[in-house]
Amino acid sequence: GQSLEQPSEVTAVEGAIVQINCTYQTSGFYGLSWYQQHDGGAPTFLSYNALDGLEETGRFSSFLSRSDSYGYLLLQELQMKDSASYFCAVRGQAGTALIFGKGTTLSVSS
Amino acid sequence: DVKVTQSSRYLVKRTGEKVFLECVQDMDHENMFWYRQDPGLGLRLIYFSYDVKMKEKGDIPEGYSVSREKKERFSLILESASTNQTSMYLCASSPSGTGPYSPLHFGNGTRLTVT
Repeated sequence: GQSLEQPSEVTAVEGAIVQINCTYQTSGFYGLSWYQQHDGGAPTFLSYNALDGLEETGRFSSFLSRSDSYGYLLLQELQMKDSASYFCAVRGQAGTALIFGKGTTLSVSS
Repeated sequence: DVKVTQSSRYLVKRTGEKVFLECVQDMDHENMFWYRQDPGLGLRLIYFSYDVKMKEKGDIPEGYSVSREKKERFSLILESASTNQTSMYLCASSPSGTGPYSPLHFGNGTRLTVT
């Protein structure tokens, strides 16, 4: 089976940097994804890592270490609008569906 | 922009009723998915489909069935609704693509209450 672990809550202040960790267990591995969901909204895709290393998209970066079954989402220059839930997700095999973690609620204060 | 439309935003049904949740996508995506979302449990996969008339069980299929008669439409059916099926239901779609990854595009969800 597949399972993912991520912290349930993270708090930070505007302008800060926050890192949301995700560890996973899968029988196979076909990439780690991150999704953002604002309260009452639909989850939206943020980033994807298939290979080890850092992927940067503006203020957001995502990192993967396949040997450690570990990844993280890094959010820089935090803004109030970044307050949301963040989910990591894995696909264990090509052609199978994404399995999501339980989500991390990020609260950004001024 | 991809649009995934779920027919109802809020739904209230009685225990034992047969419930249909409808989802339509407008981007000719091959893959469609149903998840349910509960506080503290994240998104859990119920069923998914890679093509018309095809379906695969996810992690929590018990009490649910699905129908995909047309490529753009994926229906989730609760044969006999129970109170433990009160939840937010999210539909998603993605292209099959040639690479290993296709991002999911989600609808806005249907909040179902079973009383």
